[in-house]
Amino acid sequence: GAVVSQHPSRVICKSGTSVKIECRSLDFQATTMFWYRQFPKQSLMLMATSNEGSKATYEQGVEKDKFLINHASLTLSTLTVTSAHPEDSSFYICSAFQGIYNEQFFGPGTRLTVL
Amino acid sequence: QKEVEQDPGPLSVPEGAIVSLNCTYSNSAFQYFMWYRQYSRKGPELLMYTYSSGNKEDGRFTAQVDKSSKYISLFIRDSQPSDSATYLCAMTRDSNYQLIWGAGTKLIIKP
Repeated sequence: GAVVSQHPSRVICKSGTSVKIECRSLDFQATTMFWYRQFPKQSLMLMATSNEGSKATYEQGVEKDKFLINHASLTLSTLTVTSAHPEDSSFYICSAFQGIYNEQFFGPGTRLTVL
Repeated sequence: QKEVEQDPGPLSVPEGAIVSLNCTYSNSAFQYFMWYRQYSRKGPELLMYTYSSGNKEDGRFTAQVDKSSKYISLFIRDSQPSDSATYLCAMTRDSNYQLIWGAGTKLIIKP
């Protein structure tokens, strides 16, 4: 089946620093990738839709200058949390859209802790 | 009112029981329906994917869609402790692949 990886799986950083999270589709090309965040015991909240070669589309309430998304190739999208603050601590999950079967395949997630 | 309603649970059942998980939705435009399983601190894993009303079976799992009632279900037969996880329903409108998620139901299978 389709595999999506994320790196790093866990990151702890100081307040004010920037953190980059990578999302890769390992065995298929994904023209569209999605970024979610998930708080404990809550469902996934879509942050943005990332299309290869174009600007990401952000959901209402998500600061595009704070959460920078780059989708430079058909297998890689990155999310950079800039000037991270403790309230940005969360579980960030990416997914890659497999158009043939209209399915999204999810990465294992990245747990971000901002001290 | 949320577009997709799902009871967050937790739902606790003994091993071997049949589990029924459900979601209701309000938008009749939804046509693709999915069930995902998410273990703690992991990404969601697609379990079942259905397009039309009716039943779809895969091993111990059966997905049921009733578009007239805007109601979907996931049944798990012969439940096992390893089935303990959070189960999320999700759905999309026609070719729009942005998923609309339920809150997720936490399922606990007691040995």
